[in-house]
Amino acid sequence: ELKVEQNPLFLSMQEEKNYTIYCNYSTTSDRLYWYRQDPGKSLESLFVLLSNGAVKQEGRLMASLDTKARLSTLHITAAVHDLSATYFCAAHLGSKLIFGQGTTLQVKP
Amino acid sequence: EPEVTQTPSHQVTQMGQEVILRCVPISNHLYFYWYRQILGQKVEFLVSFYNNEISEKSEIFDDQFSVERPDGSNFTLKIRSTKLEDSAMYFCASRAGTGTYEQYFGPGTRLTVT
Repeated sequence: ELKVEQNPLFLSMQEEKNYTIYCNYSTTSDRLYWYRQDPGKSLESLFVLLSNGAVKQEGRLMASLDTKARLSTLHITAAVHDLSATYFCAAHLGSKLIFGQGTTLQVKP
Repeated sequence: EPEVTQTPSHQVTQMGQEVILRCVPISNHLYFYWYRQILGQKVEFLVSFYNNEISEKSEIFDDQFSVERPDGSNFTLKIRSTKLEDSAMYFCASRAGTGTYEQYFGPGTRLTVT
């Protein structure tokens, strides 16, 4: 059974600071997804990582994948308030996505 | 930009009643999914659907649940006899086809069972 664990689950950070969210998954998966969810809203796709060593960047967010360690990271550079949201990683297995618990990011001025 | 749409946005029903949640996936997409999210918890897979049949379903997707693609555009999730624990946000998602990876999620239907 594939399990996906994120940490931390809650992150309060100041603007302009850097931080990393970690996503571990328990068995082999061929792709890893990152989504953003604002309160009461749907899931917005951020990144899809397909191979070992994959790195993708969009603005202040950068995601990477290490399939050997079964680890993906979402790095936030110089956080701004607009990045406050819950971030989910999800590993692909069969025809489904298995989601982590989510990391709620709160960026304070 | 094409998007997945869902109706209704909020459905309140009494325990034991049947509900149908509707989704219109992105046009020309071939793979369809239902997920649910109980308030404050993670997103959970329910079922995937391709070529007019279920590809995979989770343990949550028991005999009370069914899916259908009644025409070329709609994709529905039916819960035959709702329970209190079915209260959740239900998300529909779609994916274009083989060789594509993005799953696009709809805005969700909040189901409240009283």
